Amino acid sequence: SQTIHQWPATLVQPVGSPLSLECTVEGTSNPNLYWYRQAAGRGLQLLFYSVGIGQISSEVPQNLSASRPQDRQFILSSKKLLLSDSGFYLCAWSVPSPQARAFFGQGTRLTVV
Amino acid sequence: SQQGEEDPQALSIQEGENATMNCSYKTSINNLQWYRQNSGRGLVHLILIRSNEREKHSGRLRVTLDTSKKSSSLLITASRAADTASYFCATDGNYGGSQGNLIFGKGTKLSVKP
Repeated sequence: SQTIHQWPATLVQPVGSPLSLECTVEGTSNPNLYWYRQAAGRGLQLLFYSVGIGQISSEVPQNLSASRPQDRQFILSSKKLLLSDSGFYLCAWSVPSPQARAFFGQGTRLTVV
Repeated sequence: SQQGEEDPQALSIQEGENATMNCSYKTSINNLQWYRQNSGRGLVHLILIRSNEREKHSGRLRVTLDTSKKSSSLLITASRAADTASYFCATDGNYGGSQGNLIFGKGTKLSVKP
């Protein structure tokens, strides 16, 4: 069966520090991968999606970047965090089909202080 | 920007009552999905309705889709305290040129009181 792992679950980082959040998927090949951010009490904002290794599309200009070094690994990074980067980050995967449902990781609560 | 917009933003009901949440979207879609999120957790897929379907059932869930009005509704019948969560609609397909991506609304926060 397919599983998705996202870590860490919580993270407190000072302003200006770097960030690396990792997401891995097991049990499937060539998934579409997504990073979403959810501000407190708000909906999900699509940050990045990837349809293959090294293929990253950005939905929103921001202080963050994403990479997909392996088929089932998706990394969200920042060189210098801003206070506004605080939020709940969710990784998700789906099969590459317009009818596909998304499977979400458990999320990372990032607090930038 | 958001594709789907749910209303109400918050809904509080008693156990046993029905809960209805609505979602409106702006552009043409291939399908519409509903997800549930428990506080501080990831989202879980509930149901998918295709653009050529008008109604779909899954257990206590009933989803309708009106593509002429670009709207959908999620009905939870005989609600339970365990249904307390946030519910999101998500659309895909032609939005913003991002084929196959899911764009979520802001969600409806449902509270079911025992």
